[in-house]
Amino acid sequence: QQPVQSPQAVILREGEDAVINCSSSKALYSVHWYRQKHGEAPVFLMILLKGGEQKGHEKISASFNEKKQQSSLYLTASQLSYSGTYFCGTVILRPQGAQKLVFGQGTRLTINP
Amino acid sequence: EAQVTQNPRYLITVTGKKLTVTCSQNMNHEYMSWYRQDPGLGLRQIYYSMNVEVTDKGDVPEGYKVSRKEKRNFPLILESPSPNQTSLYFCASRSAGWFSNEQFFGPGTRLTVL
Repeated sequence: QQPVQSPQAVILREGEDAVINCSSSKALYSVHWYRQKHGEAPVFLMILLKGGEQKGHEKISASFNEKKQQSSLYLTASQLSYSGTYFCGTVILRPQGAQKLVFGQGTRLTINP
Repeated sequence: EAQVTQNPRYLITVTGKKLTVTCSQNMNHEYMSWYRQDPGLGLRQIYYSMNVEVTDKGDVPEGYKVSRKEKRNFPLILESPSPNQTSLYFCASRSAGWFSNEQFFGPGTRLTVL
C-alpha cells in the first residue's frame, strides 16, 4: 500500500532543478507532500486533490495525474534551504469512511553550494 | 500556539520493560496517528484514530497498543519492548475532512531498546 518514490536520492548544485516522483498501485484521491530536515519533524508543503491540478509553494510546485496514479514534485532553481528528505503521502479509504494516510519511503535531496 | 507535543523526546530502556510515549494536540483534531521512521523505510504507520474510542491498525501494529480516551491525547504503549522497536517515533494529527487537510507532526521520540 505504500506509495513508491523515485529517485531515492538526488544531489544538486544550488540553482539546479529537481523532480521527485510518487506513484501508487491504488487509486489516488489526494496526494500530500512533506519535507523533513535532518533531526526534525516532517513539515507540510502541499496537498493535491484529484482532478490533475497543480499547486505551487515558493519555487516548489507539484502535479497530480490520477489516471496514471502519480504525482510529481518540482523544485526549480533550488536553494540550500531545500535540502532534506521529501515524502509523498497518499490517502487510502478504509471501512466506515476512515482515511488512512500512507507515506512513501522518502527522497533525500542534497543541495550543494 | 497550535502544536503536537510528545514526551519523552529521548528514551533508553531495556527489553521487556513496559513504556508509554504520550502525545497531545491542542487543535481539536479528529485524526491522530503514530508513525515509526527507520532508515530507508520512510514513515510507517503504526496505529491511527478517527476519534475518541475509535482506533485502527496501521501497517506495522505488532508489539504496540494505543488508546484514545480523550480527543487531545493518543498515547503509544509498548507492553514488552524489544530491540527491533528501536526507532524514531512521530505522533501526528489532522482534522477530519474529505482528503484535504494537512497533517501536523510532533517533534519525535527517539527510542532505544537494549
